[in-house]
Amino acid sequence: SQTIHQWPATLVQPVGSPLSLECTVEGTSNPNLYWYRQAAGRGLQLLFYSVGIGQISSEVPQNLSASRPQDRQFILSSKKLLLSDSGFYLCAWSRPPAHEQYFGPGTRLTVT
Amino acid sequence: LAKITQPISMDSYEGQEVNITCSHNNIATNDYITWYQQFPSQGPRFIIQGYKTKVTNEVASLFIPADRKSSTLSLPRVSLSDTAVYYCLVGDIVGGANNLFFGTGTRLTVIP
Repeated sequence: SQTIHQWPATLVQPVGSPLSLECTVEGTSNPNLYWYRQAAGRGLQLLFYSVGIGQISSEVPQNLSASRPQDRQFILSSKKLLLSDSGFYLCAWSRPPAHEQYFGPGTRLTVT
Repeated sequence: LAKITQPISMDSYEGQEVNITCSHNNIATNDYITWYQQFPSQGPRFIIQGYKTKVTNEVASLFIPADRKSSTLSLPRVSLSDTAVYYCLVGDIVGGANNLFFGTGTRLTVIP
């Protein structure tokens, strides 16, 4: 069976500090991978998606970046965090050509 | 830009059938409709997906009219554990991730 992991589960970082969130998927190969952000009490906003190693598409301008160094690894980064980067970050995967996405447990980021 | 609208909240008694509607007037030909359930501080969980007409699985049914401008998630005989936020997602990664749109979510409260 497939599983998706995210870490850390929670993170408190000061403004201006760097960020690295990691997501890994087990039990499948060549998945599509996604990063979402969910502000408190709000819906999900797609940040990045990837259809393969080194292939990243960004959907919104921001000070975040994503990388996919391995087939089942997706990393979300920032060089300098802003207060507005606080939120619940979710990684998801899907197996093309199927459309349904499966989400990880999420990372709650608080920027202080 | 597709606008996805859902009722903000709904209440239901245990054992009743609950129908949650999502409006997506600008749905594109290739777009699929997917519903997710989310509990607090957890990643969304896939419920059901469809393209047209009716889809049923072990937990829910999805009704999509011929014009596909709306969809209805039907939960039979809800229990207290079904209290959660329900999101519809409309779009298709094949068309580019900017064609993936989440609704704002419907908070379902099941009352004993």
